[in-house]
Amino acid sequence: DQQVKQNSPSLSVQEGRISILNCDYTNSMFDYFLWYKKYPAEGPTFLISISSIKDKNEDGRFTVFLNKSAKHLSLHIVPSQPGDSAVYFCAAHGDQGGSEKLVFGKGMKLTVNP
Amino acid sequence: NAGVTQTPKFQVLKTGQSMTLQCAQDMNHEYMSWYRQDPGMGLRLIHYSVGAGITDQGEVPNGYNVSRSTTEDFPLRLLSAAPSQTSVYFCASSPLAGGTAGELFFGEGSRLTVL
Repeated sequence: DQQVKQNSPSLSVQEGRISILNCDYTNSMFDYFLWYKKYPAEGPTFLISISSIKDKNEDGRFTVFLNKSAKHLSLHIVPSQPGDSAVYFCAAHGDQGGSEKLVFGKGMKLTVNP
Repeated sequence: NAGVTQTPKFQVLKTGQSMTLQCAQDMNHEYMSWYRQDPGMGLRLIHYSVGAGITDQGEVPNGYNVSRSTTEDFPLRLLSAAPSQTSVYFCASSPLAGGTAGELFFGEGSRLTVL
């Protein structure tokens, strides 16, 4: 049973426009949600996170929104740049079975066209 | 500024062979983990450790062994490789205290092919 879902495998946007990446989760016990960015042949790198007690966190061009009632979060990138082209993983952190776990979604490939 | 270092970066094995993927971190992180990435499957946790001498199973532990004799090193052992273990493996670490919850520092990955 997939606890963190990224239902769209890919997204293509024009440079300068907004990119919106979506993520849904099923476990209401998650306390932090994170986005990771991954370039080919590299390891994932942490991008931005949000606590479950907040509904928005902003860091430069990147903003994450959390809707707890809908168990949904989204990552907004404004304006999008070609260097943002990568695979983005949504992840959720929480205590599961007495130990802290980080659960990842399947990832979404973002392509920003010049 | 090495961070998390994984070796080897590429490896080809025959079914039934054994090997060890090495992982070392120089950030004095207590938490270390191994993930595998497969197409359409995201990142799945294999094993993790919250400190030297302590290891535990993740989501997909079968076929893999780990040990944590030092804070710096967390090797992943494949005792008898199977084609289903063809994947990209990532080692990751984090401080248990003082860092952002869930923030992991990843190595560059090790691509393993089992024929």
